[in-house]
Amino acid sequence: GEDVEQSLFLSVREGDSSVINCTYTDSSSTYLYWYKQEPGAGLQLLTYIFSNMDMKQDQRLTVLLNKKDKHLSLRIADTQTGDSAIYFCAEMNRDDKIIFGKGTRLHILP
Amino acid sequence: DTGVSQDPRHKITKRGQNVTFRCDPISEHNRLYWYRQTLGQGPEFLTYFQNEAQLEKSRLLSDRFSAERPKGSFSTLEIQRTEQGDSAMYLCASSRGQGYGYTFGSGTRLTVV
Repeated sequence: GEDVEQSLFLSVREGDSSVINCTYTDSSSTYLYWYKQEPGAGLQLLTYIFSNMDMKQDQRLTVLLNKKDKHLSLRIADTQTGDSAIYFCAEMNRDDKIIFGKGTRLHILP
Repeated sequence: DTGVSQDPRHKITKRGQNVTFRCDPISEHNRLYWYRQTLGQGPEFLTYFQNEAQLEKSRLLSDRFSAERPKGSFSTLEIQRTEQGDSAMYLCASSRGQGYGYTFGSGTRLTVV
């Protein structure tokens, strides 16, 4: 079946880089996504990568995709207190449904 | 256009009552999705519409749940005879179509007491 796995917690010092990792099982995934959720809020699409790409950079965000290992990562450079949130890795499967992981809670240390 | 709107933001109801939530998608988006998110979990797919047609329903959607999108614009999700296990955040999302990312609303938080 389809599954998206990610670690539940990450603590990073302000100004350092954060790297959130994710693995997925569906090799036919077309798009992979990173969503951000702040307390009490809905999901905000941060970035996405098409499955035939291996890297995408967007300002402080870098997404790396290793399709062979089905591994996706999100790097946030110069992490700020406003980056504190839950980050969800997600894949779009062959049926055009987005399947989410359980989320990684990013905690910023002063 | 202000994005995907959901109403109400919060709903507290007694067990056994019926509740209905509304979602207004982005106007040019023809796909509309409902997800449910419980504490500590990622969103779980419930159902989706292409225009007014309901194309798929998850097995999470018991007979007590019904969703409609009568004119291909807004959608409603009704839960009959609510149970405590229905307490969750109900998220609506819309997209332009196949392959496009979703835009989520802020969700409706349901608490069944």
